Amino acid sequence: EVKLQQSGDELVRPGASVKMSCKASGYTFTDYAMHWVKQSPGQGLEWIGTIIPLIDTTSYNQKFKGKATLTADKSSNTAYMELSRLTSEDSAVYYCAREVYYGLPWFAYWGQGTLVTVSS
Amino acid sequence: DIQMTQSPASLSASLGETVTIQCRASEDIYSGLAWYQQKPGKSPQLLIYGASSLQDGVPSRFSGSGSGTQYSLKISSMQTEDEGVYFCQQGLKYPYTFGAGTKLELK
Repeated sequence: EVKLQQSGDELVRPGASVKMSCKASGYTFTDYAMHWVKQSPGQGLEWIGTIIPLIDTTSYNQKFKGKATLTADKSSNTAYMELSRLTSEDSAVYYCAREVYYGLPWFAYWGQGTLVTVSS
Repeated sequence: DIQMTQSPASLSASLGETVTIQCRASEDIYSGLAWYQQKPGKSPQLLIYGASSLQDGVPSRFSGSGSGTQYSLKISSMQTEDEGVYFCQQGLKYPYTFGAGTKLELK
């Protein structure tokens, strides 16, 4: 069974950074890209970017370049996203999500989400 | 970026009623479209991909159709468990983009 287990909710100060994780199980981690999606309170969904763990290649939504950094650790089957210089606009739930099949841009598997609250 | 416009923003339906949700892309996305359902406090769930392919485990009352810039999701017989928010997503070009969502409630 494919599972994506995300790290716990975070309360962070404005201007700080936060790094969250997404541990994958139930499949070969390097066979699929991992995507990250933002959902602001009561809002829709925004695609942040993706990483291909096999070759450590990333692609970002231009809107999140400089804000988000995606990495992956093949030894622990874990993907990471770091958000920097946080503001109130970054308060949201962040999801990791895996493709339904390799190379197809449809997200069949989602983590439970990490809530990031930016507040002083 | 490709803009995805959903309509209506919300609707209510009775048990057994047929429901249709529309999604329009700002350019031709060549059937590169998916539909998701999200319930309160939960992660989105993939329903349809490639405009009309039903994801494994999704009830057959859900169906998708469309081409070019116009797509639709149909629920053939509304059930209690179908309440939630529905999003469309284009997967043709980076950045992948989502519609704003359609909130479906039971009447």
